[in-house]
Amino acid sequence: AQTVTQSQPEMSVQEAETVTLSCTYDTSESNYYLFWYKQPPSRQMILVIRQEAYKQQNATENRFSVNFQKAAKSFSLKISDSQLGDTAMYFCAFSAGGTSYGKLTFGQGTILTVHP
Amino acid sequence: EAGVAQSPRYKIIEKRQSVAFWCNPISGHATLYWYQQILGQGPKLLIQFQNNGVVDDSQLPKDRFSAERLKGVDSTLKIQPAKLEDSAVYLCASSPRVRQETQYFGPGTRLLVL
Repeated sequence: AQTVTQSQPEMSVQEAETVTLSCTYDTSESNYYLFWYKQPPSRQMILVIRQEAYKQQNATENRFSVNFQKAAKSFSLKISDSQLGDTAMYFCAFSAGGTSYGKLTFGQGTILTVHP
Repeated sequence: EAGVAQSPRYKIIEKRQSVAFWCNPISGHATLYWYQQILGQGPKLLIQFQNNGVVDDSQLPKDRFSAERLKGVDSTLKIQPAKLEDSAVYLCASSPRVRQETQYFGPGTRLLVL
């Protein structure tokens, strides 16, 4: 079974600064996908970024980038130029390939607060 | 493109009562998921449909929870009878196909069992 661990229950950052959220996972799968989802107080879960395990290049989406360390089973999210709208709960999630049918396993979440 | 729709948004019931949640996925999405999110935790998969067939219901408490997806479109999740520990947000998500596809989430239904 897969597990996802987010060791930072809460983080805060000043507007325009950079913050990194940590995530580690455990799996015996060789083919899998990793995601970061954002859940603002309105509770609509939104995809921030995804990474295919077979790709060595780290994914980037505008101000969001990941540091994917496959051997260490680490998948951190870096948010540059933080904005007030980035305030939300952030979830790291794992999806195995093969016969897992796309099921997402989520971490416990990190509450990020961006201060003006 | 319309997103995943869910109703109701909020529901308060007493323990031992029954409740039903409805989900309409994004048009054309073959795969539909129901997740339970207890306050302060990450979502946990309850059941997954591929078209109108179940592909994973291993974490669904089948003595009280049931779900169906008639005609491979809308889905209903039912709890009967509800327990206090069922208080949670119930999230519906859909994806175009099975495996590795991004899942798109609805706004959720917040259930409070008294």
